[in-house]
Amino acid sequence: EAGVAQSPRYKIIEKRQSVAFWCNPISGHATLYWYQQILGQGPKLLIQFQNNGVVDDSQLPKDRFSAERLKGVDSTLKIQPAKLEDSAVYLCASSSNRGGTEAFFGQGTRLTVV
Amino acid sequence: EDKVVQSPLSLVVHEGDTVTLNCSYEVTNFRSLLWYKQEKKAPTFLFMLTSSGIEKKSGRLSSILDKKELFSILNITATQTGDSAIYLCAVGGAQKLVFGQGTRLTINP
Repeated sequence: EAGVAQSPRYKIIEKRQSVAFWCNPISGHATLYWYQQILGQGPKLLIQFQNNGVVDDSQLPKDRFSAERLKGVDSTLKIQPAKLEDSAVYLCASSSNRGGTEAFFGQGTRLTVV
Repeated sequence: EDKVVQSPLSLVVHEGDTVTLNCSYEVTNFRSLLWYKQEKKAPTFLFMLTSSGIEKKSGRLSSILDKKELFSILNITATQTGDSAIYLCAVGGAQKLVFGQGTRLTINP
């Protein structure tokens, strides 16, 4: 079974530029999560999708971050414009059900904003 | 607001020692508690504990869940240098998975 795929693996951009991350979840997984993990901290949920609908985006900085999951499969997360404090690893995870079931993680994208 | 707190934040021990990592939580409509190991980037799944499974064991790792006191522990016996990692606790509520800040475990030879 293929795992969660993310790209790119690494990205370096200047502040005020824009960037996009892509995630392909495990086939058949209805729930998709985007987490932001700043060095030394645990993952922070940015947005959760159930199929192509948003379940929770309460911690997504909507003035600069946006995400979509067209057709309930792949998802993209965009930052525009980026700030220095956005430097982090962005993790995508998927699960077969919301909340109480095991989530499988992709390798993440390490973003450095200079 | 859902909250997951892990302790200690950092722990350094010698190879062969036994360690206990702690996780306490406040979550609406608790469904499960999960432990992950994070070495490089992606957290990898260790255990899931639910109301119907409050104790799990795999090799040198074991975990228990106390639903009354709202905490869990992860125990590692006879530690090895390969156990060095960040250990994450996550709690699944009705809708989402909330993570603690993690415990950075370092095993010195």
